[in-house]
Amino acid sequence: EDKVVQSPLSLVVHEGDTVTLNCSYEVTNFRSLLWYKQEKKAPTFLFMLTSSGIEKKSGRLSSILDKKELFSILNITATQTGDSAVYLCAVRLNFGNEKLTFGTGTRLTIIP
Amino acid sequence: GAGVSQTPSNKVTEKGKYVELRCDPISGHTALYWYRQSLGQGPEFLIYFQGTGAADDSGLPNDRFFAVRPEGSVSTLKIQRTERGDSAVYLCASSLTGSDTQYFGPGTRLTVL
Repeated sequence: EDKVVQSPLSLVVHEGDTVTLNCSYEVTNFRSLLWYKQEKKAPTFLFMLTSSGIEKKSGRLSSILDKKELFSILNITATQTGDSAVYLCAVRLNFGNEKLTFGTGTRLTIIP
Repeated sequence: GAGVSQTPSNKVTEKGKYVELRCDPISGHTALYWYRQSLGQGPEFLIYFQGTGAADDSGLPNDRFFAVRPEGSVSTLKIQRTERGDSAVYLCASSLTGSDTQYFGPGTRLTVL
């Protein structure tokens, strides 16, 4: 069975700290890995990763994929209270599998 | 509209009732997906439409759940004889054909009393 595991389940840090969120996967026919930020209900797209070792960056957020060790990390530097959210990792498979398989998410809380 | 919209934002119903949840995808997106998210969990796939047809309905939990997309745009998720265990946030997403990136709507929070 395809599995996506995120860690930690929750994390509380002070504003200005740097955090690293982890996502590991055990799937057949991997195609891509996506990160989303969920503040209330709508997950908003952050990154899509398909190739190992190529960092994607957007402002203070960055992410990288390791297809050999089957994991990805999401880094947030100089955290702000607006970064407080649940961060979801999802995997898409090849060969006609259009759905995303999600992890349970990491709940990040930034204390001012 | 610019993004995926869903109505209603909240729906409270009684056990045994019938409900319909609506999704309006991003204009031009031919692929549409429904997911269900329970508290403390990630979204779980329900059904995927390519155009008007349901290309993959393997995530629908049982035959009380049904979805349509008659004109290849707006979709309706229908739940018959609702049960308390159906309470969750129902999320809709859309994408361009062939794109891995799915864009989500704000969801409908369904509460079955």
